[in-house]
Amino acid sequence: DAKTTQPNSMESNEEEPVHLPCNHSTISGTDYIHWYRQLPSQGPEYVIHGLTSNVNNRMASLAIAEDRKSSTLILHRATLRDAAVYYCIPLYGGATNKLIFGTGTLLAVQP
Amino acid sequence: SAVISQKPSRDICQRGTSLTIQCQVDSQVTMMFWYRQQPGQSLTLIATANQGSEATYESGFVIDKFPISRPNLTFSTLTVSNMSPEDSSIYLCSVFQGGYQFFGPGTRLTVL
Repeated sequence: DAKTTQPNSMESNEEEPVHLPCNHSTISGTDYIHWYRQLPSQGPEYVIHGLTSNVNNRMASLAIAEDRKSSTLILHRATLRDAAVYYCIPLYGGATNKLIFGTGTLLAVQP
Repeated sequence: SAVISQKPSRDICQRGTSLTIQCQVDSQVTMMFWYRQQPGQSLTLIATANQGSEATYESGFVIDKFPISRPNLTFSTLTVSNMSPEDSSIYLCSVFQGGYQFFGPGTRLTVL
């Protein structure tokens, strides 16, 4: 399984963009890069995923480095509800589909 | 998106007893997963449960301690056996559908 490195914590102000980095230098060519987040007292929820190209959805954008050794989750305008632990997880696009969680980044959003 | 429910939502148990946690999904899924989240920690995968076959356990987890049933494509149970205070955690089930995973709300277990 590919290892990931994320900052333990980050802080942002409400209404400002947030860039959450992730290093995954041992990622294989077939691993998708998934991002999940866990709001307080809830199960994790899917945020976004990608393979090589940058991806956008209603929640966030995902910027993937050309060498795929790192990626950045972008929240365009942070809200208080975005305060959560964000997990970057390489996922093998094969038969197992199991997510192995690292320690993640605890995002605090200040009003 | 899959909707997952778990029962019970929480429980307080005595050491040495066992608790069975139920996970129900609103659609048929091939793969179900059971995770444990100890206080202040990240999620740890316990096992993968596929219908019609034995569950596959991750390193550090054994069937005698965490037996799993998967009788059909919408339901699974995880039993925490012979509990000790170290088993106090949140237990979550999840399913893989449409390219990503959906998680249940979790079962908060406290062992005294």
